[in-house]
Amino acid sequence: AQRVTQPEKLLSVFKGAPVELKCNYSYSGSPELFWYVQYSRQRLQLLLRHISRESIKGFTADLNKGETSFHLKKPFAQEEDSAMYYCALSPGSSNTGKLIFGQGTTLQVKP
Amino acid sequence: NAGVTQTPKFQVLKTGQSMTLQCAQDMNHNSMYWYRQDPGMGLRLIYYSASEGTTDKGEVPNGYNVSRLNKREFSLRLESAAPSQTSVYFCASNLAAYNEQFFGPGTRLTVL
Repeated sequence: AQRVTQPEKLLSVFKGAPVELKCNYSYSGSPELFWYVQYSRQRLQLLLRHISRESIKGFTADLNKGETSFHLKKPFAQEEDSAMYYCALSPGSSNTGKLIFGQGTTLQVKP
Repeated sequence: NAGVTQTPKFQVLKTGQSMTLQCAQDMNHNSMYWYRQDPGMGLRLIYYSASEGTTDKGEVPNGYNVSRLNKREFSLRLESAAPSQTSVYFCASNLAAYNEQFFGPGTRLTVL
């Protein structure tokens, strides 16, 4: 079965501390993986995707096929990073663009 | 450009009532999606439309119907609302599979 798991509902860190939001997936093929973010009173928006291999707002994510993980990392958290983060998977074989979302992790960055 | 718009923003229904959630996009996107967001469950796909004239079921389609009226508009209908359908509903669109999905602001629906 295709599944995305984000084990932490809430992650609370102090400003300047490193952040790692965990994401594990279950999929037998080659998935496309994404991180979406929802800031307070804003729309859900794409943060980054693994195929782009880019860093957005200081965040990076590496696809580890052996561990079936796509953890989101940032070396120094900022207060403006406080938001809900969703990991999402698009099955590579379906070609429909469907996304399977994880449960979401709320990141709280304290001053 | 307004992007993806949804109406209404809020709605309260009684059990058994029907309603249609409207979604429109002005980005000339081919694909459109309806999700529901529930606490602790993330977003779950209800229905999607890969292109104008086609619709397919997602993960949780029961109790819903959709219409892809034209390339811009994709509506979601609840024929007989149930309390289990209390949720926040998001519409999204993208140009093609694997492209970034753009989301609407959401509709908060409460069924009493």
